Amino acid sequence: GAGVSQSPSNKVTEKGKDVELRCDPISGHTALYWYRQSLGQGLEFLIYFQGNSAPDKSGLPSDRFSAERTGGSVSTLTIQRTQQEDSAVYLCASSGAKLNYEQYFGPGTRLTVT
Amino acid sequence: KQEVTQIPAALSVPEGENLVLNCSFTDSAIYNLQWFRQDPGKGLTSLLLIQSSQREQTSGRLNASLDKSSGRSTLYIAASQPGDSATYLCAVQSSGANSKLTFGKGITLSVRP
Repeated sequence: GAGVSQSPSNKVTEKGKDVELRCDPISGHTALYWYRQSLGQGLEFLIYFQGNSAPDKSGLPSDRFSAERTGGSVSTLTIQRTQQEDSAVYLCASSGAKLNYEQYFGPGTRLTVT
Repeated sequence: KQEVTQIPAALSVPEGENLVLNCSFTDSAIYNLQWFRQDPGKGLTSLLLIQSSQREQTSGRLNASLDKSSGRSTLYIAASQPGDSATYLCAVQSSGANSKLTFGKGITLSVRP
């Protein structure tokens, strides 16, 4: 079946603009994660959605970052007033309902803020 | 707070050598540990997943072991090939409320022909 998909694959934006990144998880997966991979910090957790529960936003680096998950499926990560330090690869992963299930990763969105 | 360490950051070996990549983590309260491969400019490819109750997993020339009590895992690559050149990332899934993955910074492997 189809894996996790993300769009766009690449995004170049000017500093100060808002961007939206999209993630389509594997059908039937109730858990969805966003991670960020940047040169200096490695791969870091951003936010976690599980079913209809309130998301765990503990990894979001600032209030310029937000995420939604509509209908328990597609998720959008929004970055407002982008800064150069937001340049990174944003990865989405999904997994089944149990907490120890494997997470399957999408190909990522490479964001460049100029 | 879980911390994952991979040392060294880079490794260069001649083709055909057997090699071991190390990973250590600070909190043994984990669900599982996963090894990933990442090629330059690409996403993550999952190699092996070891549940906390398991000691090792094997796939082809790869073998991963887990010693949860000591906070260590190794990825063994047999008969290395130039195509194995990539960055190898270790990640642990903590048994907390959000079961997030905590990643090491990776080991960049170069296999010389």
